[in-house]
Amino acid sequence: GAVVSQHPSRVICKSGTSVKIECRSLDFQATTMFWYRQFPKKSLMLMATSNEGSKATYEQGVEKDKFLINHASLTLSTLTVTSAHPEDSSFYICSARSPWTGPPLHFGNGTRLTVT
Amino acid sequence: GENVEQHPSTLSVQEGDSAVIKCTYSDSASNYFPWYKQELGKGPQLIIDIRSNVGEKKDQRIAVTLNKTAKHFSLHITETQPEDSAVYFCAASRGSGGSNYKLTFGKGTLLTVNP
Repeated sequence: GAVVSQHPSRVICKSGTSVKIECRSLDFQATTMFWYRQFPKKSLMLMATSNEGSKATYEQGVEKDKFLINHASLTLSTLTVTSAHPEDSSFYICSARSPWTGPPLHFGNGTRLTVT
Repeated sequence: GENVEQHPSTLSVQEGDSAVIKCTYSDSASNYFPWYKQELGKGPQLIIDIRSNVGEKKDQRIAVTLNKTAKHFSLHITETQPEDSAVYFCAASRGSGGSNYKLTFGKGTLLTVNP
């Protein structure tokens, strides 16, 4: 079945530094990828929709300069958390779908970001 | 926008019993309803989905029912096993075009299956 790979699975960084998270579709091409954030024991909150070759679409309340998204190829989208602060600590999850088959969306295994 | 309500938030059953989780949605244009299982520290895994032109779908011990008129859908797990213990999320989306497959998630149900 379709596989979405996310890297790294865990990252610890210091306040003020930037962290890049990668999301790859391994066996299909994804023109659209989605980035979610999940707080402990909470649901998934959509942050942005990443479109290959164009600018990402951010959900209301999500700072685009804080969370930089690049979808440079049909198999890779990256989320960069810039100037990270402790409140950015969270579980970040990406998902992708094939443009030719539509849903379902396949999810990566998430990245646990801890900012100290 | 879409709003998805999910109940119950926690559910504890004995092994072998059935478990039912219910969701309601607000957007009558939503036509795709997946269910995801999330284990601790992992991403959500699709377990079953249903489209609005179908009223029921079954896959072994798992079934989903959809009532479009009432705008609610339910997940049924029969003969539960301890490995079914996880958080389950329902979701809804409109199903056409690229960004229109945005999922709106319910708040999740923590299912515990006691041996």
